Amino acid sequence: KNQVEQSPQSLIILEGKNCTLQCNYTVSPFSNLRWYKQDTGRGPVSLTIMTFSENTKSNGRYTATLDADTKQSSLHITASQLSDSASYICVVSRNSGNTPLVFGKGTRLSVIA
Amino acid sequence: EAGVAQSPRYKIIEKRQSVAFWCNPISGHATLYWYQQILGQGPKLLIQFQNNGVVDDSQLPKDRFSAERLKGVDSTLKIQPAKLEDSAVYLCASSLESRATEAFFGQGTRLTVV
Repeated sequence: KNQVEQSPQSLIILEGKNCTLQCNYTVSPFSNLRWYKQDTGRGPVSLTIMTFSENTKSNGRYTATLDADTKQSSLHITASQLSDSASYICVVSRNSGNTPLVFGKGTRLSVIA
Repeated sequence: EAGVAQSPRYKIIEKRQSVAFWCNPISGHATLYWYQQILGQGPKLLIQFQNNGVVDDSQLPKDRFSAERLKGVDSTLKIQPAKLEDSAVYLCASSLESRATEAFFGQGTRLTVV
């Protein structure tokens, strides 16, 4: 069954601290993995995308890693800011079928002063 | 480039009433998706259109939900009659084609059924 599991479900950190979010998947055939940021009341916005051959991708203070062998990904946020408070959703794309996007349930991150 | 437009942003209705949501995708995007996102969960696909044809509606509760994309551009999603468990954010997304691996999302419509 094609599934994406994320952990933790929620996380609270102090402003300026780093954090790492986890994503495990059982989706196949694998095409790519994308991390989305979803602010409250808004639609998801793409942060990073990685294909099978890529194992790290950065976007400013966001760094995503991918281990295609263990089917795991992480999103590391450096020097967190209050504006990082959001849900972070891991989405894995399948390389076949008409409905390629499999969503995780997301990690709710709260950054506090 | 204009993004995916959705309206209304918020809607409160009583159970058993009807409601409709509207979506205008990014110009030129052939594929349009409707997702239901219940609080605390990731989006769940309800229906996917390729131009004006339905590609996948396997998770659409067809006894009460309907969607159309008559001219292959705008789309409407309707719920009739609504139930309490339909309270959620309804997200519309579009992509260039069905195999495209990035979908661009609208801001969603937050539905509350009381």
